[in-house]
Amino acid sequence: GAGVSQTPSNKVTEKGKYVELRCDPISGHTALYWYRQSLGQGPEFLIYFQGTGAADDSGLPNDRFFAVRPEGSVSTLKIQRTERGDSAVYLCASSLDLNNEQFFGPGTRLTVL
Amino acid sequence: EDQVTQSPEALRLQEGESSSLNCSYTVSGLRGLFWYRQDPGKGPEFLFTLYSAGEEKEKERLKATLTKKESFLHITAPKPEDSATYLCAVQAFIFGKGTRLHILP
Repeated sequence: GAGVSQTPSNKVTEKGKYVELRCDPISGHTALYWYRQSLGQGPEFLIYFQGTGAADDSGLPNDRFFAVRPEGSVSTLKIQRTERGDSAVYLCASSLDLNNEQFFGPGTRLTVL
Repeated sequence: EDQVTQSPEALRLQEGESSSLNCSYTVSGLRGLFWYRQDPGKGPEFLFTLYSAGEEKEKERLKATLTKKESFLHITAPKPEDSATYLCAVQAFIFGKGTRLHILP
């Protein structure tokens, strides 16, 4: 079956611009997670959805970051007024439920110039 | 605050040379400790979940163990294809920085 997919695979933008990153989870997985990973670091938790609702958004660094999952499947991570420090690989994962194994997508590499 | 610390940061071994990776954690009520493998340019891939002290799980050359304060990932007679970054996570989404493992042929 299909795994977790993320689009685009690469995104280059200019400082101050708005970007959207998309995640398609595995069908039937109710839990969806967004992470940010910088070189040489582990994944940094951003937000976790259970169904359509954001169950835990404590990892979002500031109000420029926002994520939605309107129908309980596809999710979009939105970053406003991008800064150079936002450059990283953004990973999405899904699982049957919280505390089950997570299946990760390949990530979106975001570069802010 | 829930925390995960992995050691060493990097490890180079000869093929066949067994060793262990450490994951120390501080949490309020462990709800699961997870090990993942990550290859360059890819997302992490699930290896094991451990839920209670004393639990052990094995898969091929890998064995994961858990105590109340730490977990070990034991690698027996590793091969070059075991080279990767190994990540530990607790409470589903609190990850350590990982251990970069390089197995020399």
